[in-house]
Parts: sequence; structure tokens; C-alpha cells
Amino acid sequence: GESVGLHLPTLSVQEGDNSIINCAYSNSASDYFIWYKQESGKGPQFIIDIRSNMDKRQGQRVTVLLNKTVKHLSLQIAATQPGDSAVYFCAENPDSSYKLIFGSGTRLLVRP
Amino acid sequence: DVKVTQSSRYLVKRTGEKVFLECVQDMDHENMFWYRQDPGLGLRLIYFSYDVKMKEKGDIPEGYSVSREKKERFSLILESASTNQTSMYLCASSARGQFYEQYFGPGTRLTVT
Repeated sequence: GESVGLHLPTLSVQEGDNSIINCAYSNSASDYFIWYKQESGKGPQFIIDIRSNMDKRQGQRVTVLLNKTVKHLSLQIAATQPGDSAVYFCAENPDSSYKLIFGSGTRLLVRP
Repeated sequence: DVKVTQSSRYLVKRTGEKVFLECVQDMDHENMFWYRQDPGLGLRLIYFSYDVKMKEKGDIPEGYSVSREKKERFSLILESASTNQTSMYLCASSARGQFYEQYFGPGTRLTVT
């Protein structure tokens, strides 16, 4: 499959364990934060978003945490499965416009 | 099932050629986007369109133009391809007023030699 990045930070977890993927964002005025997942050979896929007036949001098997004090965002994946292996991107929306600022991504590898 | 399709998965062009990348979505979305993706740089927005014949520049529009003559189709044009435009190009669409939940195509890997 297509490689989206050769030197990405990589997180390796055992199948069934929880995964935590971290992201530092740059703009304290950003209003929305989003996580995308990109599997090999595919385009990114929306996972979950969180607004700046929240500090936690839960989806199906995923939780996003937002710490505005230190400008940090994390994505927690419960009971990680082989199908979770992908590159995960965080993105921020600094001015409520159409422009998203994407991070460079973290590769998640799930060991069987 | 929602779908964004791109005309080619892989494309090889020569320096100076005019290149057309096509994107079609079947979700009746108003918004369409073109990004390029390079290792270590994440996704960078080239152009955005919010309606037929309407466009806005993204962060890296230089060397590119776009065309949106029909709602479902958004084309990216490289007027005179250069080697620094070798990249993965991703098209996306989203519903009106919704910029965060974008639906992406599989990408076109363009190599300019």
C-alpha cells in the first residue's frame, strides 16, 4: 500500500490494549479540533471532533481529550484492534473558516 | 455509501506538461477541497470551492488552478508541472457549513519527471 510518511512518530501497541495518540496544537484561538484516520492506500477518514468549550468527548471506542492550558489534544482508542492500524492526524480550525491546519501524523501499529 | 472518486491513482507527467486531476463526489456536497500530502508535512490546502464556479485559495495555491463547473466535480489543474509538485493529491468534500467532517477520495500519486 501507499506510505503516507516515512519518518512518522510511531506508536506500537498490543491488540486489546488501549492506545493514546497525542497532538500539540499551535493556536490558542482555535475553535475546533478534529481527528482523522488514514489507512494505507486510502484517503483520511473523519473520526471525531471536539469544540474548544469542551474538554472531553466520547465516540464509539474513542475518546478525545482537550487541554487548552497546554494546547494539547489526545485520542484514546479502547481495546485496540488490528483494523486500527493507520496514521492518525489531528487538525485544528483556527478561525472558524474552511481552513484546517493538519498535524504531520502518528502511525499506530497494532501487534497481534 | 458516500463516495469521493479521483480520476487516477497514479500519474506520471513530464516537467512543463499541463496536468488535470479530476474529483467527483456523489453526496450532493456544496464544499469541495484539494489538498496535497507530503511526508512529514501533513495535509496542506491548495484550493477550496463552496459552490459551482466559486473558489477560495488555500495555503499553497501557487502553480495550481481549479475549476468547478458542476456541483459534483472539482478539477485541479497544474498549468506547467514542475518536479516540486510531485506529491499525493487528495480531494475532499463536505456539506454546506460543515468544514470538519470532510470525506476524502483515495488520492492521486503524481510524479513529475
